[in-house]
Amino acid sequence: GQQLNQSPQSMFIQEGEDVSMNCTSSSIFNTWLWYKQDPGEGPVLLIALYKAGELTSNGRLTAQFGITRKDSFLNISASIPSDVGIYFCAGQWGFGNEKLTFGTGTRLTIIP
Amino acid sequence: NAGVTQTPKFRILKIGQSMTLQCTQDMNHNYMYWYRQDPGMGLKLIYYSVGAGITDKGEVPNGYNVSRSTTEDFPLRLELAAPSQTSVYFCASSYLEGHQPQHFGDGTRLSIL
Repeated sequence: GQQLNQSPQSMFIQEGEDVSMNCTSSSIFNTWLWYKQDPGEGPVLLIALYKAGELTSNGRLTAQFGITRKDSFLNISASIPSDVGIYFCAGQWGFGNEKLTFGTGTRLTIIP
Repeated sequence: NAGVTQTPKFRILKIGQSMTLQCTQDMNHNYMYWYRQDPGMGLKLIYYSVGAGITDKGEVPNGYNVSRSTTEDFPLRLELAAPSQTSVYFCASSYLEGHQPQHFGDGTRLSIL
């Protein structure tokens, strides 16, 4: 089946730093989604990408749909304490009934 | 704003017992999903529904059943609980077509002993 690898698995950064994480697939996707999961809560959809090369922002978050369609990137600028959590990518090959494949997550910790 | 509400938050079951995980949403979303999240793994789709009266299997449906009698509610039933069903279960909803869940509940942490 399709595999998604997220990198890094965990990050320890200081407040104010920029963050970069990525997600790579063994096969092509036509949709990439990025979610954030706060401790003890369910994931929340942050950004959806539908076209290769697309760059989409949501506040301090920017995500890109890789040109090869096998990867996606998420950047967070000027991190703040509420950015702490687990970030998941998810990919989708087709549309309609095609199920999502989720990555295993990048855990972001902010060091005081 | 309630969003997606799941109950209970925690539950311990004995092997062979059954239970229903409740999920309700107040956003009038047609699409609802049940996922399980195992440690160090991505979310896996158990069942989904595209509207009241319509349900379908996801990746890992064995040992589970669902129903969707109303737009708001999407309960997940575990029959004959097994240790392999120990997991965190998330219900989600969306108005987006094509398996793109937007809002998740806070999860139900289930242990089967």
